[in-house]
Amino acid sequence: KAGVTQTPRYLIKTRGQQVTLSCSPISGHRSVSWYQQTPGQGLQFLFEYFSETQRNKGNFPGRFSGRQFSNSRSEMNVSTLELGDSALYLCASTDRDSYNEQFFGPGTRLTVL
Amino acid sequence: KNQVEQSPQSLIILEGKNCTLQCNYTVSPFSNLRWYKQDTGRGPVSLTIMTFSENTKSNGRYTATLDADTKQSSLHITASQLSDSASYICVVSVSWGSGTYKYIFGTGTRLKVLA
Repeated sequence: KAGVTQTPRYLIKTRGQQVTLSCSPISGHRSVSWYQQTPGQGLQFLFEYFSETQRNKGNFPGRFSGRQFSNSRSEMNVSTLELGDSALYLCASTDRDSYNEQFFGPGTRLTVL
Repeated sequence: KNQVEQSPQSLIILEGKNCTLQCNYTVSPFSNLRWYKQDTGRGPVSLTIMTFSENTKSNGRYTATLDADTKQSSLHITASQLSDSASYICVVSVSWGSGTYKYIFGTGTRLKVLA
């Protein structure tokens, strides 16, 4: 099976812009989670989607939103970008048949100037 | 409060040496514990996953232990290699049944292996 793919891998934006990141989970996985990772904070949970519905949400402002499509692919959107949004954004798909094990994608490195 | 703490925060060892990373958790109800390896700028990759009833699990030179009574886990790396340089993240899964679960992440241990 192909792994989790994320596009784009790198992105440079300026403050105030918006950005959309994409994630394609492993075939058969219906749950997709998004995380923000910064050097000082570690992995911070953004939200989780399952069967096109947001099932869980972390403590991030409303500028961060997401959605999931019928083929389980997911997108994450950040509006009105701030310098502090610079981070590695990771997507993980979950295998419910294996202790809910998460498989991470390579991430999208977002830099906000 | 559900929490996962890892120690040390960072570690430097010489190639060929062994090392042990620690993970202490205060999580309930416990479902399973995993160790991930994350190379710089890449996504985490699973090393081991352990349930409540498992004490030890190995994956090549990586051996994880779990003491459910003391709520401690360790990851032992044998005969370290330069490629072991990475961050190691401990993640504990909490499950309330009926497909409801949550992941609690540690902040990781950054390991540097020197030649």
